Amino acid sequence: SAVISQKPSRDICQRGTSLTIQCQVDSQVTMMFWYRQQPGQSLTLIATANQGSEATYESGFVIDKFPISRPNLTFSTLTVSNMSPEDSSIYLCSVDKDRERGNTEAFFGQGTRLTVV
Amino acid sequence: GQNIDQPTEMTATEGAIVQINCTYQTSGFNGLFWYQQHAGEAPTFLSYNVLDGLEEKGRFSSFLSRSKGYSYLLLKELQMKDSASYLCAVYSNSGYALNFGKGTSLLVTP
Repeated sequence: SAVISQKPSRDICQRGTSLTIQCQVDSQVTMMFWYRQQPGQSLTLIATANQGSEATYESGFVIDKFPISRPNLTFSTLTVSNMSPEDSSIYLCSVDKDRERGNTEAFFGQGTRLTVV
Repeated sequence: GQNIDQPTEMTATEGAIVQINCTYQTSGFNGLFWYQQHAGEAPTFLSYNVLDGLEEKGRFSSFLSRSKGYSYLLLKELQMKDSASYLCAVYSNSGYALNFGKGTSLLVTP
């Protein structure tokens, strides 16, 4: 299994500001994923964070709005930049630690509940 | 791309059995997951199917038919705490992340 510590757990932010969300894993993983879950919706993949290279963004998400860092194999950050009320969501980081060894369960952090006012 | 469809809402009675269906269209299918998510919490893993057939784990079972692009999650002996959103998610060879359906909100009533 993998234990993922994500923080902050929640925040209320002013529009136009930025928030950086941190995700720490208790073991080394190749890929980390960032998802967004808007109210009443399912999870939408924002980007895949690879150590040593730029993150890969999904359609509709851009690096200027959601810059990602991945300085090592156990840590990643997602920044939500120049926030607007439409960015109010739950943001989740995820890893699939053992996929390389054939175990494909994905593990999630506790989530960050962001409210932009 | 991938289309993953599941009902939006279901209601069932405590002690009963409920089946939540999921259909998907994907290229390079590489496994299907079911996750449970209580309001305000992160998803938690329930089951994984990559081969056709039924996987049973306690009160929960999951079935997969790859030829039909179909899965279901079966919940037996429903309890009030089973009220949650149930997410169907698919791995494909085209990416390394899970693609999620919109989720089925299950309400268990007394």
